[in-house]
Amino acid sequence: GAVVSQHPSWVICKSGTSVKIECRSLDFQATTMFWYRQFPKQSLMLMATSNEGSKATYEQGVEKDKFLINHASLTLSTLTVTSAHPEDSSFYICSASESLQENEQFFGPGTRLTVL
Amino acid sequence: AQSVAQPEDQVNVAEGNPLTVKCTYSVSGNPYLFWYVQYPNRGLQFLLKYITGDNLVKGSYGFEAEFNKSQTSFHLKKPSALVSDSALYFCAVRDMYTGGFKTIFGAGTRLFVKA
Repeated sequence: GAVVSQHPSWVICKSGTSVKIECRSLDFQATTMFWYRQFPKQSLMLMATSNEGSKATYEQGVEKDKFLINHASLTLSTLTVTSAHPEDSSFYICSASESLQENEQFFGPGTRLTVL
Repeated sequence: AQSVAQPEDQVNVAEGNPLTVKCTYSVSGNPYLFWYVQYPNRGLQFLLKYITGDNLVKGSYGFEAEFNKSQTSFHLKKPSALVSDSALYFCAVRDMYTGGFKTIFGAGTRLFVKA
């Protein structure tokens, strides 16, 4: 099946710094990528949807300037958490799909971010 | 807006017994429904989906789900639970819109299977 990878798998950073998380589709071209965050013992909350070459569509309540998403190629999307604070500590999961109408959505293993 | 509800935070079952994890949905139009499983510190793994066709959908690892339109339910089932089935299970619905789609997840149900 299709594989989605994320890097890093975990990261610890100081408050005020920025952190970039990469999401790659390894064996398919991802027209659409999604970024989720998951707090402990909670569900996945969709942050934004990005289509290759277009600006990301953010969900209500998600700060565009804080969570920068770039989907510059069909195999790579990045999420940058700018000026991170302890409340940004979470598990960030990306997923990818081959088309805008594709039923199949493949998930990455997640990145655990801890902001000190 | 599309949504799913998982009424149980946790389900406990003994190994070898049948298990059911409940999910109800609220959608406009035809529902696209999914079940995913998540193991600790891992991403989501796809179990099964309902798009159209037979109401009983068979998926990975011996799991199946029954789509019930009259009860707007999509419960996940397995005839005989394994300890290794212990994990967090998410029901999800696909929200289609012009230009794309997005997946909305339920709150999750933690399954504990005792040996």
